[in-house]
Amino acid sequence: VVLTQSPLSLPVILGQPASITCMSSQSLVKYDGNTYLNWFQQRPGQSPRRLIYRVSNRDSGVPDRFSGSGSATFFTLKISSVEAEDIGIYYCMQGTHWPPITFGQGTRLE
Amino acid sequence: QVQLVESGGGEVQAGGSLRLSCAASGFTFSAYGMHWVRQPPGKGLEWVAFIRSDESDKYYADSVRGRITISRDNSRNMVYLQMSSLTPEDTALYFCTNHAEFFQHWGRGTLVTVSS
Repeated sequence: VVLTQSPLSLPVILGQPASITCMSSQSLVKYDGNTYLNWFQQRPGQSPRRLIYRVSNRDSGVPDRFSGSGSATFFTLKISSVEAEDIGIYYCMQGTHWPPITFGQGTRLE
Repeated sequence: QVQLVESGGGEVQAGGSLRLSCAASGFTFSAYGMHWVRQPPGKGLEWVAFIRSDESDKYYADSVRGRITISRDNSRNMVYLQMSSLTPEDTALYFCTNHAEFFQHWGRGTLVTVSS
């Protein structure tokens, strides 16, 4: 499964919203009814951090300005109001059709 | 709290071998599958390998199959990655991460550099 993120580079203005999309080469709905599409943030020099699992579930400690949505082959990560600490690279990942688990190319928020 | 600490990275010549380790704490290790994910310098994330909690299943990326073996020791809360026939394309930061809803927790990584 190929995940295609857009854009690959996203200039942002602090306090303004931002949006990243992730398109899958095939539907990510599994036979169990779940959609295993996650979003990760990687700040400069840090390990990846999971923000969102199964499309729209925010991880513990993740600010509510982050939200995930979408279905089947099209998914979006939105930041309602960008803060300085949000700068980094964002990846989508699918775990529906695995192995292999695949990631998008990454979107650099700058 | 959950901690994953990788070790064993270093510089090795092409064709060489290396064994990476990951020490887990703060959760019931024996109940969870574990993965290795790598990141070449300046590039994106690539899933490498998975081992089920009871070692009943092991999966590998095509790029490493036949050269890499994942294993674990539930009595020591450890997961390992034995790598052989290394090439410069294996140069990366290697992370271990848990299977809970895919990659809930990550270590800081251990750097493997393969020189030609």
